[in-house]
Amino acid sequence: AQSVTQLGSHVSVSEGALVLLRCNYSSSVPPYLFWYVQYPNQGLQLLLKYTSAATLVKGINGFEAEFKKSETSFHLTKPSAHMSDAAEYFCAVSPSGSARQLTFGSGTQLTVLP
Amino acid sequence: EAGVAQSPRYKIIEKRQSVAFWCNPISGHATLYWYQQILGQGPKLLIQFQNNGVVDDSQLPKDRFSAERLKGVDSTLKIQPAKLEDSAVYLCASSRSPGVGGTEAFFGQGTRLTVV
Repeated sequence: AQSVTQLGSHVSVSEGALVLLRCNYSSSVPPYLFWYVQYPNQGLQLLLKYTSAATLVKGINGFEAEFKKSETSFHLTKPSAHMSDAAEYFCAVSPSGSARQLTFGSGTQLTVLP
Repeated sequence: EAGVAQSPRYKIIEKRQSVAFWCNPISGHATLYWYQQILGQGPKLLIQFQNNGVVDDSQLPKDRFSAERLKGVDSTLKIQPAKLEDSAVYLCASSRSPGVGGTEAFFGQGTRLTVV
């Protein structure tokens, strides 16, 4: 069984400030972890993924995430928020080495204030 | 490379009516998924196909939902009869065959269904 918990359904940051979106996972097998972004009326776009290689993963648009097994966390960060980062972000987990079924968290809506 | 195509983008129907959604995955992608995303929630897997066979449909409400993927390419998802709680965005995704390394799932723009 696997699940993800995203802490904070809404996060607001000022433009230029640090973005930190939290994700904790639960998995009975070594997981693959993903962050997706969803803009209004759009599908999901992959930001980055962890597949048991480097624990610090760099993604698109300046985002990165660090896999911490001891904390069962995979938090998403960006040093400086941009207005275009405003969107909903989903953390997801899938069991490694098998079909790519994704179990999603409930999402975090990021608002960037001018 | 063309992305995952879905149609229609929006659909409004009355409860107890039927509706069908269509998905064309990325060329060469053997795995196809249908997800249901209720407002304010993350997407939930309904069904997964590998080529034209069903891998997992454990969360598909089979009394009213059905899906097929004839010829292992396009797929349709049908709801009959629809209920108010079926109002959601239905997302189709595709990926290459599963294997070690974590292949990425690519998502379409979704079909927003409103049941009134």
